[in-house]
Amino acid sequence: DAGVIQSPRHEVTEMGQEVTLRCKPISGHNSLFWYRQTMMRGLELLIYFNNNVPIDDSGMPEDRFSAKMPNASFSTLKIQPSEPRDSAVYFCASSLSGIGNTIYFGEGSWLTVV
Amino acid sequence: GEDVEQSLFLSVREGDSSVINCTYTDSSSTYLYWYKQEPGAGLQLLTYIFSNMDMKQDQRLTVLLNKKDKHLSLRIADTQTGDSAIYFCAEILETGRRALTFGSGTRLQVQP
Repeated sequence: DAGVIQSPRHEVTEMGQEVTLRCKPISGHNSLFWYRQTMMRGLELLIYFNNNVPIDDSGMPEDRFSAKMPNASFSTLKIQPSEPRDSAVYFCASSLSGIGNTIYFGEGSWLTVV
Repeated sequence: GEDVEQSLFLSVREGDSSVINCTYTDSSSTYLYWYKQEPGAGLQLLTYIFSNMDMKQDQRLTVLLNKKDKHLSLRIADTQTGDSAIYFCAEILETGRRALTFGSGTRLQVQP
């Protein structure tokens, strides 16, 4: 079975450019999570969706970040405009809703903003 | 509030046992997890334990939970060089948001 699929795997972009990260959750999963990993701050939850509805976006750093989930099989995380401090690995994860269900992670999108 | 802490680094010799420790602050933690991250890769779930359990064993992995001290440990028996990675402890709370809160990760280095 396909796991959580993220694209792009690696992106290098110039400061000020728009960045769009994409995620396809595991089929049938109805919870989706976006995490960011940096050396300084570790793994931080940015936002999570349940049944395509954003439940908690308190981790979204600022208005430059936005996330959407137009349907059950696709989500995007957009940064506009990007800044060098946004350089990080962005992970998407999915699970069945319900507290005891395993959360599966994608391989991550490695973003460098120069 | 949620706070999960781990030591940053552990070095062991191949064949020895490794013990990675984690402490958490919120007593309403319901599920506690261990994830493994190899260089350049995502997070792989290793094992988890419910808060009403004290111990769980899965092949070379043993998880111990001390609820009184809010302490979780992961023991890897017969550690191999392929176990070298970063190990993350994470919790989900019984109340509040249904998302994982991670510790800072422990880098395990296995020396041949």
